[in-house]
Amino acid sequence: NAGVTQTPKFRILKIGQSMTLQCTQDMNHNYMYWYRQDPGMGLKLIYYSVGAGITDKGEVPNGYNVSRSTTEDFPLRLELAAPSQTSVYFCASSFPGYTEAFFGQGTRLTVV
Amino acid sequence: GENVEQHPSTLSVQEGDSAVIKCTYSDSASNYFPWYKQELGKRPQLIIDIRSNVGEKKDQRIAVTLNKTAKHFSLHITETQPEDSAVYFCAAMDSNYQLIWGAGTKLIIKP
Repeated sequence: NAGVTQTPKFRILKIGQSMTLQCTQDMNHNYMYWYRQDPGMGLKLIYYSVGAGITDKGEVPNGYNVSRSTTEDFPLRLELAAPSQTSVYFCASSFPGYTEAFFGQGTRLTVV
Repeated sequence: GENVEQHPSTLSVQEGDSAVIKCTYSDSASNYFPWYKQELGKRPQLIIDIRSNVGEKKDQRIAVTLNKTAKHFSLHITETQPEDSAVYFCAAMDSNYQLIWGAGTKLIIKP
């Protein structure tokens, strides 16, 4: 049972480069989320999706884009990377309502 | 919108003692309050949760209490052990079913 899988685990980007963080889940969850976690800080919601074809902005969406073409996949796109985007990124998924959110193992991104 | 405050930011306790972490929330419509544990370099994982129709919930050494009138909830860990060392996050689910997170508490268990 894979759960939520993120790739890559680590990445170094140069300023201005772009990349896509991949996230896939095999639990048939409707809801998926992207968070960023800066060192010593809590989780900030970037984007979320309540189902295939539906995405919404979270607290800190600037500089990012997402798509949700299938229930399983929720990639996060970084355009024109900036040092302020250096962070650990977590993808998560859940069923609707008062249920547990399952997290991926995280992607540690450094922009230099 | 919902806002969650968590205290303290760091908590150091002697092994075997109890630890209490407190959170307050602002939206009286919030009805679900989970606690997640994040070990160093790992992903957050749910350890316990409580719904608004319950005042207290226990699971072995951990318990959560909820006071809806005062809009605060707390995590209690008894008989702390070295493996309890981690960052603990509280959260409240808003009316859009989105989790609003506290800033986290780093729990240090001293031997």
